[in-house]
Amino acid sequence: DTGVSQDPRHKITKRGQNVTFRCDPISEHNRLYWYRQTLGQGPEFLTYFQNEAQLEKSRLLSDRFSAERPKGSFSTLEIQRTEQGDSAMYLCASSTNRAQETQYFGPGTRLLVL
Amino acid sequence: GQSLEQPSEVTAVEGAIVQINCTYQTSGFYGLSWYQQHDGGAPTFLSYNALDGLEETGRFSSFLSRSDSYGYLLLQELQMKDSASYFCAVLSGNTPLVFGKGTRLSVIA
Repeated sequence: DTGVSQDPRHKITKRGQNVTFRCDPISEHNRLYWYRQTLGQGPEFLTYFQNEAQLEKSRLLSDRFSAERPKGSFSTLEIQRTEQGDSAMYLCASSTNRAQETQYFGPGTRLLVL
Repeated sequence: GQSLEQPSEVTAVEGAIVQINCTYQTSGFYGLSWYQQHDGGAPTFLSYNALDGLEETGRFSSFLSRSDSYGYLLLQELQMKDSASYFCAVLSGNTPLVFGKGTRLSVIA
């Protein structure tokens, strides 16, 4: 197993553009989580999935943020009409149902909005 | 909502012992996790306490007191490679894993 992977690792975009990030979890993990992390802060929970069902999305930062996991495997996080304040590291993690406290994180996608 | 408090920075000498404290407020508490994150890296799981008491994993131990809403991470025989940020995170019925702001540990020679 190669662990959690994320693509791209870095993204530079102009304000107002849409961006989409992909996360591939550990294959046997049915839970997948998205976090945002800014410098000097802990990961901030955004949303999570159990298989293809999105169980919590009220923490998404605005209606410009959306996430999908259509087949219960990989997931995408989209940010529409990006703003400079969206610049951050976007982390994905996965876990089993029974061990939610043990999450395995991907390397993250660092977003810079100019 | 949930909140966690931990010191922002700690400095300790190589070979020494350091304790990083965490206090939390949450409803529907299940347990307290600890994660390590090196600069530029991803958080990695260290330990989890669901019950009161001490859990030991090699040089690292974690403690929980549910009645005091308090836990700590204990690092023994500090090594330079332990320099990193350490996050406590609560698992509750409402939201999976809410992280604290982290404690930056600097190990000096």
